[in-house]
Amino acid sequence: QVVESGGGVVQPGRSLRLSCAASGFTFRSHGMHWVRQAPGKGLEWVAVIWYDGSNKYYADSVKGRFTISRDNAKNTLYLQMDSLRAEDTAVYYCARWGEGAKMDVWGQGTAVTVSS
Amino acid sequence: DVVMTQTPLSSPVTLGQPASISCRSSQSLVYSDGNTYLSWLQQRPGQPPRLLIYKISNRFSGVPDRFSGSGTGTDFTLKISRVEAEDVGVYYCMQTTQFPNTFGQGTRLEIK
Repeated sequence: QVVESGGGVVQPGRSLRLSCAASGFTFRSHGMHWVRQAPGKGLEWVAVIWYDGSNKYYADSVKGRFTISRDNAKNTLYLQMDSLRAEDTAVYYCARWGEGAKMDVWGQGTAVTVSS
Repeated sequence: DVVMTQTPLSSPVTLGQPASISCRSSQSLVYSDGNTYLSWLQQRPGQPPRLLIYKISNRFSGVPDRFSGSGTGTDFTLKISRVEAEDVGVYYCMQTTQFPNTFGQGTRLEIK
């Protein structure tokens, strides 16, 4: 399973770091994604990181502001969010990148609200 | 970016009757390895998304066999053979063939 944490209320322009703790599978063998969902809206893919951290991709909407990283020794995925905007308000989910390029394990999500 | 378009956006269905959701991609989802990375997710009210189908037609572990996926290239379909009350929620198609991965807008399945 995966469990997200670190969400909260933050002012525009400030930073926040989300964490995703993995258990029950070999974390270092799997790529990981962040996906978000704004209130009442659909799903939006945010970022992905390879199993070993060697490659990372981002949605255009967060490129240059968000950084995905991982610590395989701690079985933890991170999302560093800088220069936050109101439009970043969402529930953020981490998801495992399973065989067949599927997102097969999802957490419950952590809510981020960007507001003054 | 690949645009995923779902129809309908809302689907009222009678319990025990079939339901079908279509998903069209703006470009082929066939990857260089010959696979098509098209998935379907279910999101029940107040819950996180859950994987139902991957690579067009492969049912994920624990998913009832009343769910099935089909399609090729750019046109895909999710079918529920007999809708049950627990199927209420929003269904998303998603492509993981290329980055950025993209989702359809979602189709809300509700009981008549």
